Amino acid sequence: DIQMTQSPSSLSASVGDRVTITCQASQDISNYLNWYQQKPGKAPKLLIYDASNLETGVPSRFSGSGSGTDFTFTISSLQPEDIATYYCQQYDNLPPTFGQGTKLEIK
Amino acid sequence: QVQLQESGPGLVKPSQTLSLTCTVSGGSISSGSYYWSWIRQPAGKGLEWIGRIYTSGSTNYNPSLKSRVTISVDTSKNQFSLKLSSVTAADTAVYYCARYSGSYGDWGQGTLVTVSS
Repeated sequence: DIQMTQSPSSLSASVGDRVTITCQASQDISNYLNWYQQKPGKAPKLLIYDASNLETGVPSRFSGSGSGTDFTFTISSLQPEDIATYYCQQYDNLPPTFGQGTKLEIK
Repeated sequence: QVQLQESGPGLVKPSQTLSLTCTVSGGSISSGSYYWSWIRQPAGKGLEWIGRIYTSGSTNYNPSLKSRVTISVDTSKNQFSLKLSSVTAADTAVYYCARYSGSYGDWGQGTLVTVSS
């Protein structure tokens, strides 16, 4: 299985801050990477697909970049409603695997 | 917009078989090039892919669960199902069904299954 390692595991930031989460794959996955947001008690929500494409309806403050083994997810200006856990997920190889998650809190 | 809804027992005894159904509405399960998938999440932990079924009926399973998992589809009811045999407490989790086409854009709300005697 391809291992996906996210960092940090948790993050505390202030409203308006720029927030960055990284995801590293254990092998080259090209751009076959998605990012999800999960709020407590809810299903994950797709934010970014193919590493850098914004899902329809998702605010433009969310963005993604990277290819190969190193990927970055950015919130340009943190909003209170962005409090959630964020996951990366690779789909280059079966089984699809997820990062361990990054829990984002408001400072 | 397609909607997915999981259903099934919330409590399963150890060594028994967990059975869940995902009902798809707002679109035909037979149309388009989609994989219909199951993903689970133990409380406070991350997401684990269980397996998927294509509209043709072909399946793929997570090797870690393959010996215990069966995913099937009933196109007449617009449903697909998960069976996980010989469950233990480690199988206690929220189980999600989801539609996949390069990404998991559509999810059910999830259903908690507890394995306990």
